[in-house]
Amino acid sequence: DAGVTQSPTHLIKTRGQQVTLRCSPKSGHDTVSWYQQALGQGPQFIFQYYEEEERQRGNFPDRFSGHQFPNYSSELNVNALLLGDSALYLCASSLEGVRRSYEQYFGPGTRLTVT
Amino acid sequence: SQQGEEDPQALSIQEGENATMNCSYKTSINNLQWYRQNSGRGLVHLILIRSNEREKHSGRLRVTLDTSKKSSSLLITASRAADTASYFCATAHNQAGTALIFGKGTTLSVSS
Repeated sequence: DAGVTQSPTHLIKTRGQQVTLRCSPKSGHDTVSWYQQALGQGPQFIFQYYEEEERQRGNFPDRFSGHQFPNYSSELNVNALLLGDSALYLCASSLEGVRRSYEQYFGPGTRLTVT
Repeated sequence: SQQGEEDPQALSIQEGENATMNCSYKTSINNLQWYRQNSGRGLVHLILIRSNEREKHSGRLRVTLDTSKKSSSLLITASRAADTASYFCATAHNQAGTALIFGKGTTLSVSS
């Protein structure tokens, strides 16, 4: 049973560039959430996708956008990168609907460095 | 913004000792969860306690929840070196669906 996978593992970008991170949820899960974790901090909720729509959003600017595909995988896009966007980006999957589960399964993360 | 605050920020103990971490949060919750993170990698779910529960056990873990004080504690008994990690509490709120709000975490170091 494959867990949550994320790609790439590490990424180095320059200020002003754009980046796309990818996530495949745990088998059987239909919901994907994205979190940003700065060094020494707890993860901060960016947004959540369910049924290919953004269902909830945290306090992040519109530079952060996402997408969910019919196979439940998801992408996180960040435009006009700032130095402050350097962080570990975590994807988590869970189950909604009548079998809603609050427990989230996290991927290993993508370490983004903006120079 | 962070919802909760863990206390202490860092904890160092010897193998075999118990470790207790506390978490406080600000607004009403649907449930509270504890996660472990090793070396800045992905988080692993440890235990979930619902707002109508007061105590829950899972192996060497014991979690308590006091909704009147908006606080929770995680007890790890008979700690092992492999328990060395960062521990986060996370809250889910009715108004926010299943999105989790994390605290800043407690870094636990268990030496042999």
